[in-house]
Amino acid sequence: AQKVTQAQTEISVVEKEDVTLDCVYETRDTTYYLFWYKQPPSGELVFLIRRNSFDEQNEISGRYSWNFQKSTSSFNFTITASQVVDSAVYFCALSEAQVTNSGYALNFGKGTSLLVTP
Amino acid sequence: DAGITQSPRHKVTETGTPVTLRCHQTENHRYMYWYRQDPGHGLRLIHYSYGVKDTDKGEVSDGYSVSRSKTEDFLLTLESATSSQTSVYFCAISVGLIQETQYFGPGTRLLVL
Repeated sequence: AQKVTQAQTEISVVEKEDVTLDCVYETRDTTYYLFWYKQPPSGELVFLIRRNSFDEQNEISGRYSWNFQKSTSSFNFTITASQVVDSAVYFCALSEAQVTNSGYALNFGKGTSLLVTP
Repeated sequence: DAGITQSPRHKVTETGTPVTLRCHQTENHRYMYWYRQDPGHGLRLIHYSYGVKDTDKGEVSDGYSVSRSKTEDFLLTLESATSSQTSVYFCAISVGLIQETQYFGPGTRLLVL
């Protein structure tokens, strides 16, 4: 069963619009971590944020904000006043409590491709 | 920059040939991972390592083997490459108080003809 669902495959917005990328996760663990990564056209994976399951505080970093709601198992990502440089594929990921030696291996969603046009 | 390099960055090979991809880190991280990225699948875990000579399988390990004889190097081997192994391969290391956050290398693009 897919543990992380990113239902939006592609989103296209015009520069300066706000955009929200959805992420729904599934886990039975009480301790887990949620992540967002950015993959620009150059291909590298850039870590954006980590959230643990005990911290439901929303976070803001510049134009980026994240809304974590355990009640709906969602960890949504909003970009305010989008810019062309925000064009990328964004991945949401989940890691669950370590029960083997695997550390915190990540379960990724399939990604949302965001295109911001001038 | 988590000090992770991957080599080669690009490779074209033929079906049936062995291929080895290398992941090198400079900061003595205990955990290392290999993922593959394919359209429509996101990233999927192939193998991981929790120390020198300590490795285990991930979700999509068939057709792959790994080795870690030194802390800094984690090798991924395709014993006999197949076209279904055409993919982008990412190496990652874990950081953080309980090793919960992963940083990724630049990736290796592999084409199997």
